[in-house]
Amino acid sequence: DGGITQSPKYLFRKEGQNVTLSCEQNLNHDAMYWYRQDPGQGLRLIYYSQIVNDFQKGDIAEGYSVSREKKESFPLTVTSAQKNPTAFYLCASSILGQGSPQHFGDGTRLSIL
Amino acid sequence: AQRVTQPEKLLSVFKGAPVELKCNYSYSGSPELFWYVQYSRQRLQLLLRHISRESIKGFTADLNKGETSFHLKKPFAQEEDSAMYYCALLTGGGNKLTFGTGTQLKVEL
Repeated sequence: DGGITQSPKYLFRKEGQNVTLSCEQNLNHDAMYWYRQDPGQGLRLIYYSQIVNDFQKGDIAEGYSVSREKKESFPLTVTSAQKNPTAFYLCASSILGQGSPQHFGDGTRLSIL
Repeated sequence: AQRVTQPEKLLSVFKGAPVELKCNYSYSGSPELFWYVQYSRQRLQLLLRHISRESIKGFTADLNKGETSFHLKKPFAQEEDSAMYYCALLTGGGNKLTFGTGTQLKVEL
């Protein structure tokens, strides 16, 4: 099943370490998104990008960073500044345009050791 | 500020019974709303959007601006409808979505 690939599926981080989550898509979508999912809180937008070399903060960007050097890739770095990084992270992509359906990956579960 | 509220964490119905998953929103602009669904061991995916006014898998949802609601309905629940359902509101530019907290629908035999 192609589309959006997130890796790894599970990730463990020590306190004080940065960690990067991978998201790759082969749908030729211009827009990509990162969400964080916590129990009972639904999905919250971290960052999104509509074009290569450009991205915008979402609702909870503090402690995270992203890059968009290629259309297919939108990696998310969880920095040591993120005080509560344990969560499920979902990547999505879509064509440009208001209301275009977002296509989601399988997610990465990040845990702090 | 924009907000999407799904008051029920879990909704349990019997097969063949009607289903209504509630969604209320708060938004100062013109709302555009969606329902996303996640079946067991599958990815989150779009179920329907209000602007399309379509019925998908027997589900419909009508935008009620007066009540600021976008409830998801199906007249007769099927076992395969068991899933997690998220209501989402398009907020601002860039195709940004604000999601509700989700409702787990369980259809019992």
